[in-house]
Amino acid sequence: AQKVTQAQTEISVVEKEDVTLDCVYETRDTTYYLFWYKQPPSGELVFLIRRNSFDEQNEISGRYSWNFQKSTSSFNFTITASQVVDSAVYFCALSEEGSARQLTFGSGTQLTVLP
Amino acid sequence: DAGVIQSPRHEVTEMGQEVTLRCKPISGHDYLFWYRQTMMRGLELLIYFNNNVPIDDSGMPEDRFSAKMPNASFSTLKIQPSEPRDSAVYFCASRVGGGSGPTHTTQYFGPGTRLLVL
Repeated sequence: AQKVTQAQTEISVVEKEDVTLDCVYETRDTTYYLFWYKQPPSGELVFLIRRNSFDEQNEISGRYSWNFQKSTSSFNFTITASQVVDSAVYFCALSEEGSARQLTFGSGTQLTVLP
Repeated sequence: DAGVIQSPRHEVTEMGQEVTLRCKPISGHDYLFWYRQTMMRGLELLIYFNNNVPIDDSGMPEDRFSAKMPNASFSTLKIQPSEPRDSAVYFCASRVGGGSGPTHTTQYFGPGTRLLVL
């Protein structure tokens, strides 16, 4: 069965600090997809990134970067030079090709960036 | 392009009343998902449709919950009768079917309906 673990329940940093959100997943499928979603205080779920299991290349998008390591079953998310607007709950999610690509979410990490 | 549209955004009702939540998926998306988010259980999948047909409703908590998708652009989630423990945020999401590219594997979420049952 697929499982996503976000061990960090809450993280608090001061603006301009770098912060890494951890995500560890479990799956038996060889084809799967990993996602990060952001849920700001307004409540919507915003898609940030998708990686498939065959692409371990790290990705950078502005201040955001993602590190995918199959050897440790991890898909970590780093925010560089954090800003107050980054304050949100961040969810890591997994979908397996063999499970009709249903999403399994982690429990989320509440990030608070203090001015 | 318009994203997933949900209505109402907020709903307050009394125990025992019927509640209907509505969702319009992104045009061209043939998968539609209903999720519930609570503090205790996090985000959980209730049911999903493919081409308007319910595929897996194993996440629907009990018979009080029902979902329909009469056409490709509209779905409803109904709770009858509602109970205080149904209070949660209900999300609808959609994605394109088939293929393995980014658009075929990524679900896009609506803004959610915040339900409070008194």
